[in-house]
Amino acid sequence: AQKITQTQPGMFVQEKEAVTLDCTYDTSDPSYGLFWYKQPSSGEMIFLIYQGSYDQQNATEGRYSLNFQKARKSANLVISASQLGDSAMYFCAMREPPRSGNTPLVFGKGTRLSVIA
Amino acid sequence: DGGITQSPKYLFRKEGQNVTLSCEQNLNHDAMYWYRQDPGQGLRLIYYSQIVNDFQKGDIAEGYSVSREKKESFPLTVTSAQKNPTAFYLCASSIDWVEPQHFGDGTRLSIL
Repeated sequence: AQKITQTQPGMFVQEKEAVTLDCTYDTSDPSYGLFWYKQPSSGEMIFLIYQGSYDQQNATEGRYSLNFQKARKSANLVISASQLGDSAMYFCAMREPPRSGNTPLVFGKGTRLSVIA
Repeated sequence: DGGITQSPKYLFRKEGQNVTLSCEQNLNHDAMYWYRQDPGQGLRLIYYSQIVNDFQKGDIAEGYSVSREKKESFPLTVTSAQKNPTAFYLCASSIDWVEPQHFGDGTRLSIL
């Protein structure tokens, strides 16, 4: 079963507008962490934001915020005031506690965001 | 500056040849990871190591081998048994399993 689902292969957003990138996850463990990474065309992976399953508040980092809805098992990334430099692939990832057979970090297939001037 | 260095940036492999991708970090991280990324896909874990002299297979370990003799280094060998090695390979490290992973710039491997 797919543990991380990103349903939007591609998204377009006008410069200076906000955009939401969707991520749903599947786990039966009460303790887990959710990460978002940005991958520009050059290939490097840039860590953006983290949300722990026990965190009471939604995570925020500058223009990035995470809309965490635990009951729905969703962790959507919100980028405010989009900039041309935000054009990239965005990956949602989840970690579960290290037990036998657990993959340390599981990635979704990504969403390609294009910011239009 | 602390970081992760992967080399080479581009690598070409002949049929039947083993090649080794280098990954070095000076972040003093205990955990290191190797991922494979195919076009339009997410990252899939090949191998990971949580401590020196110990490593575990990830989801797609067949055709690959690793070693972890030093904390700073986690080389990946793509063996001739890996029949479809063309991909983008990313190395990462973290303080431990709970912290965000930091990535190198990647190595693009192609078949000649």
